[in-house]
Amino acid sequence: DTEVTQTPKHLVMGMTNKKSLKCEQHMGHRAMYWYKQKAKKPPELMFVYSYEKLSINESVPSRFSPECPNSSLLNLHLHALQPEDSALYLCASSQVGGPSTDTQYFGPGTRLTVL
Amino acid sequence: AQSVTQPDIHITVSEGASLELRCNYSYGATPYLFWYVQSPGQGLQLLLKYFSGDTLVQGIKGFEAEFKRSQSSFHLRTPSVLWSDAAEYFCAVALYNQGGKLIFGQGTELSVKP
Repeated sequence: DTEVTQTPKHLVMGMTNKKSLKCEQHMGHRAMYWYKQKAKKPPELMFVYSYEKLSINESVPSRFSPECPNSSLLNLHLHALQPEDSALYLCASSQVGGPSTDTQYFGPGTRLTVL
Repeated sequence: AQSVTQPDIHITVSEGASLELRCNYSYGATPYLFWYVQSPGQGLQLLLKYFSGDTLVQGIKGFEAEFKRSQSSFHLRTPSVLWSDAAEYFCAVALYNQGGKLIFGQGTELSVKP
């Protein structure tokens, strides 16, 4: 089973709202990732968690706040977003993080619209 | 700098025709290469990957890819395209010295004519 689930599928929020995206995997993977994807573009890495610790932050604005409560769960907390943050947000997981390379499995994404 | 180039932004083929999607990479060390497919509004599905060993890699949905180190290429092929293969295809290289960070190409959009 290589399933990564994401909720919600769609989210519409105002610029003053606070919302959260959720990602879950039960493959025993110890690395989890958040990507942002604009239309007709490849995914852009935002954050990487390895063994529940933040290992990579690709200079993402502080209005995006990741959280990894345990090895199966990854959240992305959103606050005071801008319309240009509207995008497909993808979560991925892989068996291990750190120096070794492994295969990333992606979830279906959350389509976010900021009004 | 590491990079992945997919020179074809959009390709249209007829159903049943053969297909090659091109991917070239620039990376100083041994590359770990992937092909992903994305249907509209969906996540990325792994088609195949190359880490080492046999340079011809078989994937799902009847796709294969060949790693050619001398040409820095990892082209994706299928002998007969299905209408359901219409999607966006991304080639990616993993940077093993940066926590497995994926560098994606710009993608190739495949349209299939009935």
